[in-house]
Amino acid sequence: GQQVMQIPQYQHVQEGEDFTTYCNSSTTLSNIQWYKQRPGGHPVFLIQLVKSGEVKKQKRLTFQFGEAKKNSSLHITATQTTDVGTYFCTIMNRDDKIIFGKGTRLHILP
Amino acid sequence: NAGVTQTPKFRVLKTGQSMTLLCAQDMNHEYMYWYRQDPGMGLRLIHYSVGEGTTAKGEVPDGYNVSRLKKQNFLLGLESAAPSQTSVYFCASSRPRTSAKTYNEQFFGPGTRLTVL
Repeated sequence: GQQVMQIPQYQHVQEGEDFTTYCNSSTTLSNIQWYKQRPGGHPVFLIQLVKSGEVKKQKRLTFQFGEAKKNSSLHITATQTTDVGTYFCTIMNRDDKIIFGKGTRLHILP
Repeated sequence: NAGVTQTPKFRVLKTGQSMTLLCAQDMNHEYMYWYRQDPGMGLRLIHYSVGEGTTAKGEVPDGYNVSRLKKQNFLLGLESAAPSQTSVYFCASSRPRTSAKTYNEQFFGPGTRLTVL
């Protein structure tokens, strides 16, 4: 079935450095969502992207949807310890089922 | 509002035992979902429901059954638990889709950690 590839699987950064995670699909997506899961917690919705080339910002977080609607990225500027967690992208496949990427686990070094 | 609640929070079963996980939401959402999360695997959809009395299979439905007798509740059953079903189970709910191109934000419960020995 349709899958979404998320990279990297893990990322360690020094506090204050930037961080980026990517989601890639082999097929055109109708939209994509991003979630954050803190250690020991549950996923929490961050944003949804629908339009080709769309860019949305939430404070230090910047979300992009590719022009071909096959990829997306989440960029965090000047990471803080509160950014620790796993970031997931989700898509809806051709059977209208929601598919989660495997996530990128962000670890912040103080 | 409590949002999405799940009971129990933890459970240990022996192989072959049965149990039911309960999910409740107070947001009047039409859609509800059950996921399992395993290390390195992200979340995988088990079953979902688009309304009271309706259910559908997700990505990994085998070994599970569900029921949605009331709009606010979604039950996940394991008839004969197996060690492969050791996982963290998350329930979620959302408003219905408003177009073919979008699906709405999901609200997740705190999860149930299940161990099958």
